[in-house]
Amino acid sequence: AQKVTQAQTEISVVEKEDVTLDCVYETRDTTYYLFWYKQPPSGELVFLIRRNSFDEQNEISGRYSWNFQKSTSSFNFTITASQVVDSAVYFCALSDSGGGADGLTFGKGTHLIIQP
Amino acid sequence: NAGVTQTPKFRVLKTGQSMTLLCAQDMNHEYMYWYRQDPGMGLRLIHYSVGEGTTAKGEVPDGYNVSRLKKQNFLLGLESAAPSQTSVYFCASMRAAYSKKLFFGSGTQLSVL
Repeated sequence: AQKVTQAQTEISVVEKEDVTLDCVYETRDTTYYLFWYKQPPSGELVFLIRRNSFDEQNEISGRYSWNFQKSTSSFNFTITASQVVDSAVYFCALSDSGGGADGLTFGKGTHLIIQP
Repeated sequence: NAGVTQTPKFRVLKTGQSMTLLCAQDMNHEYMYWYRQDPGMGLRLIHYSVGEGTTAKGEVPDGYNVSRLKKQNFLLGLESAAPSQTSVYFCASMRAAYSKKLFFGSGTQLSVL
């Protein structure tokens, strides 16, 4: 069975600080996909990144970066120089290789609060 | 581009009432999903469909029924609403299994009194 754990329920930092959101996953598959979604106060779910299990390269997109480590089953997300607009709930999710038909398994989310 | 559209956006029901949530996608996607989001629980899969005329149960299917009569539409029904079904409901679609990317609707806030 798949499982995604986001141990940090809520994080509060002051603007311009760096912040890392942790994600630990469990799967028996050797091929799987990991995702991060952002849910701002408006409520919609915004896709941020997809990473497959064969690609362990870290990725950077502007102020966002992702650290994928298979050895620790983690896919952590770092925001550099945080801004108030980064305030949102962030979800980590996992999809295995079994056709992917049964969608994603989500973590419970981390509520990130960026204080001005 | 409409993408994934959910109707209604808000609804209040009394216990025991029935209703149907509609999800429509204009991207010709094969797969469609219904999730519910509850505080501190993340998103949990209710039902999904891998194509027109097919449906399957997800993690939390009890109390819900679904239908996929047309490829572009995925309906979620509550036959007898209960307060435990108060939640935010999200519909999502995916082009095919290999794409691994879900496109979400904007959500439906349902309150059952």
